[in-house]
Amino acid sequence: DTGVSQDPRHKITKRGQNVTFRCDPISEHNRLYWYRQTLGQGPEFLTYFQNEAQLEKSRLLSDRFSAERPKGSFSTLEIQRTEQGDSAMYLCASSFAGTSGRSTDTQYFGPGTRLTVL
Amino acid sequence: ILNVEQSPQSLHVQEGDSTNFTCSFPSSNFYALHWYRWETAKSPEALFVMTLNGDEKKKGRISATLNTKEGYSYLYIKGSQPEDSATYLCASTGTYKYIFGTGTRLKVLA
Repeated sequence: DTGVSQDPRHKITKRGQNVTFRCDPISEHNRLYWYRQTLGQGPEFLTYFQNEAQLEKSRLLSDRFSAERPKGSFSTLEIQRTEQGDSAMYLCASSFAGTSGRSTDTQYFGPGTRLTVL
Repeated sequence: ILNVEQSPQSLHVQEGDSTNFTCSFPSSNFYALHWYRWETAKSPEALFVMTLNGDEKKKGRISATLNTKEGYSYLYIKGSQPEDSATYLCASTGTYKYIFGTGTRLKVLA
């Protein structure tokens, strides 16, 4: 399977616990994105990486959230001291962006990790 | 329009019916409009990307149009089939960041 994969697919945790999600993008893609989708809403941008550099973080990403992409390949998203409001679907996407300026940059999504905080 | 908006939120159609959905987006600082189909428990699947006013794209029974001057896109499904049941998302982008609508949930009844 050469698509974007995410692990785990589902996570149930108790309030206050830390959780970590993993995303493996399409191998030749240099950009990686994290989104969050809550019930009744569309996916909302959280952060993105160009290779290993984290270039933008949304204001939605509180200090309890941290994302890394250490070698420019897979990425992890960690949530510390989870709260019930963190319950959502966390989506990862990847794309290839060339160096000649803006591209149509179609993002390819993984199946998401559904987090439930009790 | 400040946000990306989709209508209707949900609809049910009979197998064989044709249907269409609307995506409205801010026309300022627009670069591209994307449509995705998202089936339950699967990854969102890219359908179309359009950039130019008047663009039309087609993939089988599904087609889309783009009006960048007035800030809307239509997605059409001809002869709906049960396997078309999914949430259809549109996203507007200025550079790299997608701004998604809330989606249209389609249920095709056999």
